[in-house]
Amino acid sequence: DAKTTQPTSMDCAEGRAANLPCNHSTISGNEYVYWYRQIHSQGPQYIIHGLKNNETNEMASLIITEDRKSSTLILPHATLRDTAVYYCIVRGYSGNTPLVFGKGTRLSVIA
Amino acid sequence: NAGVTQTPKFQVLKTGQSMTLQCAQDMNHEYMSWYRQDPGMGLRLIHYSVGAGITDQGEVPNGYNVSRSTTEDFPLRLLSAAPSQTSVYFCASSRRTSGSGELFFGEGSRLTVL
Repeated sequence: DAKTTQPTSMDCAEGRAANLPCNHSTISGNEYVYWYRQIHSQGPQYIIHGLKNNETNEMASLIITEDRKSSTLILPHATLRDTAVYYCIVRGYSGNTPLVFGKGTRLSVIA
Repeated sequence: NAGVTQTPKFQVLKTGQSMTLQCAQDMNHEYMSWYRQDPGMGLRLIHYSVGAGITDQGEVPNGYNVSRSTTEDFPLRLLSAAPSQTSVYFCASSRRTSGSGELFFGEGSRLTVL
C-alpha cells in the first residue's frame, strides 16, 4: 500500500516557484520524508529529506506540516531542466529500510 | 569514485535464456538494491541487501535471484527470462547508517526479452 499520495501531474512556468505537495497521513514518529526526482529515463536523483523541521539545500526546500501528515517540496525558480517525475517517499530512520517508490508527480516546466 | 556502475547498459534476450545484470559500487556502501521500471510506471523494488551475505525480497522478487558475496557487488540473475521481464533495471546503494537515506543510482540496464 502506498504510504504517500501525490498529484499525478503539475505544470509550472519557467522562473516561478514549483510547489509539489505530498500527503503522508500515516507517517510514524521515526519516519523521514524523502524527495527524489527522475529526469527522463535517468536513474533517480536525491533532492532532500527531513523529519519534522523545514529543510533547505542548494536544490530545494522541504516544508513539513506541524502534524507531519503532509509536506511540500519547493523549487524556488524552476527551469526547463527541472522537468521530471518527483517522488515523495516515507522511510524509516534505519538505513536497513528499503526505499519504496510510488508513482510520483510529473512536473512540466513551461517556457 | 565511479559511484554505482551497471553492466550491460542494453541487452536483448530470448525467452528462456538466463543472464546476470551486474552492479558494482565503490563507495563502501552497506545497502544495495535492485529496482525495475516499466514504461510510464514508477520504480518497483526487486531485492535488496543490507550487507555482505544478507539479502531480502522486495515488492516483485519472482523470477530474480540475488547474492551479496562482497560489499561492492550485487548481481541480479534472471534464471529463465520472460517477456514480462522486459524493463529498465536500476541498481542503487547507500550507507546503512541511520538517517543518511540518500540512495545513489546507476544509469540503468535496459533489457528486452523477445
